[in-house]
Formats: sequence, structure tokens, C-alpha cells
Amino acid sequence: GAGVSQTPSNKVTEKGKYVELRCDPISGHTALYWYRQSLGQGPEFLIYFQGTGAADDSGLPNDRFFAVRPEGSVSTLKIQRTERGDSAVYLCASSLWGAPSVEQYFGPGTRLTVT
Amino acid sequence: GENVEQHPSTLSVQEGDSAVIKCTYSDSASNYFPWYKQELGKGPQLIIDIRSNVGEKKDQRIAVTLNKTAKHFSLHITETQPEDSAVYFCAASGLFGNEKLTFGTGTRLTIIP
Repeated sequence: GAGVSQTPSNKVTEKGKYVELRCDPISGHTALYWYRQSLGQGPEFLIYFQGTGAADDSGLPNDRFFAVRPEGSVSTLKIQRTERGDSAVYLCASSLWGAPSVEQYFGPGTRLTVT
Repeated sequence: GENVEQHPSTLSVQEGDSAVIKCTYSDSASNYFPWYKQELGKGPQLIIDIRSNVGEKKDQRIAVTLNKTAKHFSLHITETQPEDSAVYFCAASGLFGNEKLTFGTGTRLTIIP
């Protein structure tokens, strides 16, 4: 079946602009996670949703970052007033909450470059 | 919060030899320890995981060991093959295993033919 998909695959934007990154989780997965991966580093947690609500948003670096999941499926990560330090690969993952396996399935990521 | 350290950062082994990657974690409440493999331009993919009530788990050429007292766990790959070349990440998660993952900094494994 289809895995986690993310769009766009690449996004180049100018400093100060607003961007939206989209994640389509595996159908039926109730939990959805956002991570950020800088070059040469491991993924860093941002936020995760259980259904429509954010269960843990402790990784969002500041109030320029916001994420929604209005219908419990697709999620959008929104970044306002982008800064060069926001440049990274943004990864989305989903999992089936409560299943014997708690594996998080990752998408290919969106590479964000802020110029 | 949780902190996960991973060593070595790079590892080169001859094809057919074994590779070992080690991680330590700081939060004694962590209960779930997955290992992910990441190839260039792709997202991480789970290769094996272990829970804190188990000391060792094996899946064909891959095994993971966990020492909960010492708060460290290791990935063992035997009979390495060229397709094992990738970046490997260890991670830790909380009580139920489906909360956020805290990742190590990664190990770039190169298999020399």
C-alpha cells in the first residue's frame, strides 16, 4: 500500500516568507509526527497529533511554527517569517496508535531552503 | 528531557565482517528503542526495535541488545553486505513507545567490497 507522502519534495523560499508543508499519512494511522533534520544530524521532534489534537508540541522551536490536522488525516506544518536557520529537511511520520507495533513510518521529507 | 548519544559517527567495515553501533540514553523512563536506517534522499526506515522488558532481539543478520541498568543499547550487523551501507540512527521513546522519538546523531556505515 501507499506509504507516507509529503509535498512538496523541495521548497525554496526567501527569508521572511510564509511556507506550508503537507503530509499525507498512511490511511488509518491515527498518530502523526513532524520532525526536522538538519544536515548530518538525527531527526529532531517538533510535534505529534493523536487524531485531530496535538498531543505534544514541546518540540516547536518558537511561535513562528504551527501545525494542524483538522480532519485527523492530512497535516500541514506552517512556518511564518522564515529564517535561514529554518533550512532543513522536514520529515513526517505516522503510526497506528495502540497496535502491538508502534513503528513510526517516515515519509521522504520536504527539503526547505531559506535564502 | 531525554538525551541519546551514539557512537561511532562513521564506521567502515570489510564486506562479510560485523558492525557494531552503540547508544546510551539518559531517561530511565524510556521504554522503547528502535533503530532506523536512512539512505540518501529517503526518510528513515525501521530495521529493528526492542522494548525494555527484553534484553536481546534478533532478526536474521541484525540484532539489538539492551542493558537497562547501564542505559545503553547496541546494534549488531553480521555478514555485512554492500547494501548495508547507509546512515543508522538509534532512538528512544517513553513508556508506551508511540510518543516522540529522541534520536542519536547517526552512524555512517560504509561496507568495503
